[in-house]
Amino acid sequence: DAGVIQSPRHEVTEMGQEVTLRCKPISGHNSLFWYRQTMMRGLELLIYFNNNVPIDDSGMPEDRFSAKMPNASFSTLKIQPSEPRDSAVYFCASTLRPLGTSGRYEQFFGPGTRLTVL
Amino acid sequence: EDQVTQSPEALRLQEGESSSLNCSYTVSGLRGLFWYRQDPGKGPEFLFTLYSAGEEKEKERLKATLTKKESFLHITAPKPEDSATYLCAVQGTSGSRLTFGEGTQLTVNP
Repeated sequence: DAGVIQSPRHEVTEMGQEVTLRCKPISGHNSLFWYRQTMMRGLELLIYFNNNVPIDDSGMPEDRFSAKMPNASFSTLKIQPSEPRDSAVYFCASTLRPLGTSGRYEQFFGPGTRLTVL
Repeated sequence: EDQVTQSPEALRLQEGESSSLNCSYTVSGLRGLFWYRQDPGKGPEFLFTLYSAGEEKEKERLKATLTKKESFLHITAPKPEDSATYLCAVQGTSGSRLTFGEGTQLTVNP
């Protein structure tokens, strides 16, 4: 089975440019998460979706960041304009969230996109 | 706010030298505590989920345990291929959010 797919794997861009990261979750999963990992701050949740609907975007750093999930098999994280402090590895994860609020569920991560903003 | 603290930050072991990694947490109602392994340049790989104090889970040379305040990942007779960063995360009753610790970087020398 294919795991979570992310593209591109590496992105180098210049400050001020728009960056779009893409994610395809595991087929059948209904929750999708975007994380950012840096040496200083570790792994941080940016935003997550349940059934394509954004639920918690409190981790999104600022208005330069936006995320969409137009359907169950695709999501994007966009940074516009990008800044050097956005350099990090961005991970997408997905899970099958059981119905109801008592569910406990493992998240499965993609390989990440290493973003470098010059 | 949920918090996770892992110790030590880094650990070097000789092959066959058993040890434990610690994950201390504070959470408003624990739904689950998760252990992940992360190799350089890769995404975190799921290892275990623990749901309640007293629970234990094993996989090969790894054994995870859980109390009301902390979790331990015991590594028995490690091999060089166990070298990785081990991440601990908690999920509280507030929703789907996972809060991760900073990780323990384990190096096992042959």
